[in-house]
Amino acid sequence: EAGVAQSPRYKIIEKRQSVAFWCNPISGHATLYWYQQILGQGPKLLIQFQNNGVVDDSQLPKDRFSAERLKGVDSTLKIQPAKLEDSAVYLCASSFRDPLDEQFFGPGTRLTVL
Amino acid sequence: AQKITQTQPGMFVQEKEAVTLDCTYDTSDQSYGLFWYKQPSSGEMIFLIYQGSYDEQNATEGRYSLNFQKARKSANLVISASQLGDSAMYFCAMRGATGSARQLTFGSGTQLTVLP
Repeated sequence: EAGVAQSPRYKIIEKRQSVAFWCNPISGHATLYWYQQILGQGPKLLIQFQNNGVVDDSQLPKDRFSAERLKGVDSTLKIQPAKLEDSAVYLCASSFRDPLDEQFFGPGTRLTVL
Repeated sequence: AQKITQTQPGMFVQEKEAVTLDCTYDTSDQSYGLFWYKQPSSGEMIFLIYQGSYDEQNATEGRYSLNFQKARKSANLVISASQLGDSAMYFCAMRGATGSARQLTFGSGTQLTVLP
């Protein structure tokens, strides 16, 4: 069974530029999560989708971050414009249905904002 | 709100010895779950072990065991017979049963280094 796929693995951009990350969850998993992991910290949930609907985006900085999961399968997380403090690893995870199911994580995208 | 505290930023252990990674938590939920994840340098979070708040016995998974002390609100991970491949970042996490507490909350992690 294929795991959670993410791309790119690494991205370096200048501040005020925009960037997008892509995630493809495990086949059949209805719930998809985006986490931000700043160096030296644990992951922090940014947004949770159930199929193509948003369940929780309370910690998403909506002035610059956006995410979509239009067809209920893969998802894109965008930052526009990026700030220095956005430098982090962005992890995507999926679970079969809801948060009580085990979450499977992708390898992450390491973003560096210069 | 729920909170996870890991007070050991880094730990060293000799190969083949056992090591305990500390985790304390705080929550107002009566029903909750506690997790440990391993994050190697490749970046992926790997699930290791789970303990439910109502489980009477400590969880075990191979060389991993969770020392759950509910009254002290601690959920320490014990790795027996350490291997060089165990060198990684380890995160304790918890999940409540209701509302926003159903989301995973992670601690700040412990970097474990296994010495040959």
